[in-house]
Amino acid sequence: EVQLVESGGGLVQPGRSLRLSCAASGFTFDDYAMHWVRQAPGKGLEWVSGISWNSGSIGYADSVKGRFTISRDNTKKSLYLQMNSLRAEDTALYYCAKDNDYSIRGWFDPWGQGTLVTVSS
Amino acid sequence: QSVLTQPPSVSGAPGQRVTISCTGSSSNIGAGYDVHWYQQLPGTAPKVLIYGNSNRPSGVPDRFSGSKSGTSASLAITGLQAEDEADYYCQSYDNSLSGSVFGGGTKLTVL
Repeated sequence: EVQLVESGGGLVQPGRSLRLSCAASGFTFDDYAMHWVRQAPGKGLEWVSGISWNSGSIGYADSVKGRFTISRDNTKKSLYLQMNSLRAEDTALYYCAKDNDYSIRGWFDPWGQGTLVTVSS
Repeated sequence: QSVLTQPPSVSGAPGQRVTISCTGSSSNIGAGYDVHWYQQLPGTAPKVLIYGNSNRPSGVPDRFSGSKSGTSASLAITGLQAEDEADYYCQSYDNSLSGSVFGGGTKLTVL
């Protein structure tokens, strides 16, 4: 069974940093691109970042460009999101999602259950 | 303001048919990139409903169908059931943004 488990969320002050992790199992991790998608409380889905199978292609939403860094460790079957200079508007449930393809242009299936990030003083 | 535009809400009685539109532009849907649809039930993670414009994953009832034309796409749901009450999102790739984009989401209410 394909499974994605996010961790690392929590309460953090504005301007501070946080690192999210996503542990993958049940599929050949290094065959697929991966993504982070977030959902602010009561709001819709927002794509945050994606990374291709070999980290050769990476993309970011304009709202996080220059502050967030996506990475992956294929030996550990893990995806990461380093979030710096956090703002109140980054408060959201952050989902890890598997792409159907090796590039970052496909659809997302499955999704993890999410990890909640709250940015507040 | 989402790159892909969806109606905020739609509604229908049990057994009826509803459609949800997703309007993009020449840098995403109009550029030939596929459209995918997700269903998000209350309190749960999104689940893919339609991929590649019109394909259903195994386990998704054939009451759900998708189509794409020009810079727009549509999700149709026939034979509405109470369990279909959820939020629905379209998603595609945008070459000017070099990343994925979502619609703002549509809340389906079954009357």
